[in-house]
Amino acid sequence: QVQLQQSGPGLVKPSQTLSLTCAISGNSVSSNSVAWNWIRQSPSRGLEWLGRTYYRSKWYNDYAVSVEGRINVNSDTSKNQFSLQLNSVTPEDTAVYYCAEGWSSAFHIWGQGTMVTVSS
Amino acid sequence: QSALTQPASVSGSPGQSITISCTGTSSDVGRNNLVSWYQQHPGKAPKLIIYESIKRPSGVSNRFSGSKSGNTASLTISGLQAEDEADYYCCSYAGSSTWVFGGGTKLTVL
Repeated sequence: QVQLQQSGPGLVKPSQTLSLTCAISGNSVSSNSVAWNWIRQSPSRGLEWLGRTYYRSKWYNDYAVSVEGRINVNSDTSKNQFSLQLNSVTPEDTAVYYCAEGWSSAFHIWGQGTMVTVSS
Repeated sequence: QSALTQPASVSGSPGQSITISCTGTSSDVGRNNLVSWYQQHPGKAPKLIIYESIKRPSGVSNRFSGSKSGNTASLTISGLQAEDEADYYCCSYAGSSTWVFGGGTKLTVL
């Protein structure tokens, strides 16, 4: 049974970097059959897929055009977790952020969500 | 990419069936069968209920079914129960390793 446990600060100042971590149990971040995703949800933007990392003999990343250039999704095999970094945040980045395990182009298991507010 | 189009709300009485539509374009919903549906109760994370347009994950009630025709996907819930009251979201692969969600539909069980 795969479980995802998110951690990270709930308040970030404008222009700074939002950093969240998603710890995986019941699967390996290096699995060859799934991808590890970040998705956010806000009243103004709804659900928005942000990016993913996955391992297929080497590491790959894909990012949404809306955040490309500001986002990094990385894996940490020693801790079996993956992370999100979103740079130069503005109040528009205020949202609930979710990590999710994906395969067959669907998001099968979700983390509990982290409410992140961008405010000074 | 624009969000997929869903009705803002639908309602039905216990025991009835309802259908939620999800309309996209030939670049997303219409390009393949990679549409998924999620149920979200207030304050909870979304839960996958349909993937690859018609498949149900293990443990999801067979009262939930999915279909797709052209650029429109649909979720049908039969035998409505009070616990089905929630928000429902569709999602589609949109090419170039990106995904797009619908705006969500609030289901009210009368």
